[in-house]
Amino acid sequence: DADVTQTPRNRITKTGKRIMLECSQTKGHDRMYWYRQDPGLGLRLIYYSFDVKDINKGEISDGYSVSRQAQAKFSLSLESAIPNQTALYFCATRQGAGNEQFFGPGTRLTVL
Amino acid sequence: GESVGLHLPTLSVQEGDNSIINCAYSNSASDYFIWYKQESGKGPQFIIDIRSNMDKRQGQRVTVLLNKTVKHLSLQIAATQPGDSAVYFCAEISGGGADGLTFGKGTHLIIQP
Repeated sequence: DADVTQTPRNRITKTGKRIMLECSQTKGHDRMYWYRQDPGLGLRLIYYSFDVKDINKGEISDGYSVSRQAQAKFSLSLESAIPNQTALYFCATRQGAGNEQFFGPGTRLTVL
Repeated sequence: GESVGLHLPTLSVQEGDNSIINCAYSNSASDYFIWYKQESGKGPQFIIDIRSNMDKRQGQRVTVLLNKTVKHLSLQIAATQPGDSAVYFCAEISGGGADGLTFGKGTHLIIQP
């Protein structure tokens, strides 16, 4: 079984709709991250969380919100989706100060 | 702002040859540099990292070289195999990495039979 899972894997929605992307992990890691990947670009950080009570904005947080419901779950919401939020979204986990981040399989989101 | 970038978007090599993927960075305060491999349809996968006070580190079939003088990082893959086909990203961590990784744009490695 995958250690980091994301749902849904693919989603097509319309402008103005509210969308939630979910991430779950079984690795027991304390830190979780949401990244966005656009064609020809590297991943960019949206939000990150050190634990359930700690949420921090990343480089491109505008238009997004997150919720850390439990240590194992970190969800990303688009309150009112717009076409330029069409992208691949990745969740990642990390344990403490370790360098390695473990990525989920990604969610492909298309906003029409 | 600070950035991590790559010299070439695509690299094509013959199976069995060695591959060298290059990366330039601008943040002198980076603590670690990391290489990730992303296969089609999957999330990035950690390959190897190197601390900023080192200039070389070897793993299984991979070697990372760090030249701080010219702010250049490279990933060498020995005896390239078809399974090495992927996009390779360099990334950097600074300040303990609390705010995540800063990624470069990626190089697509293509293995020719």
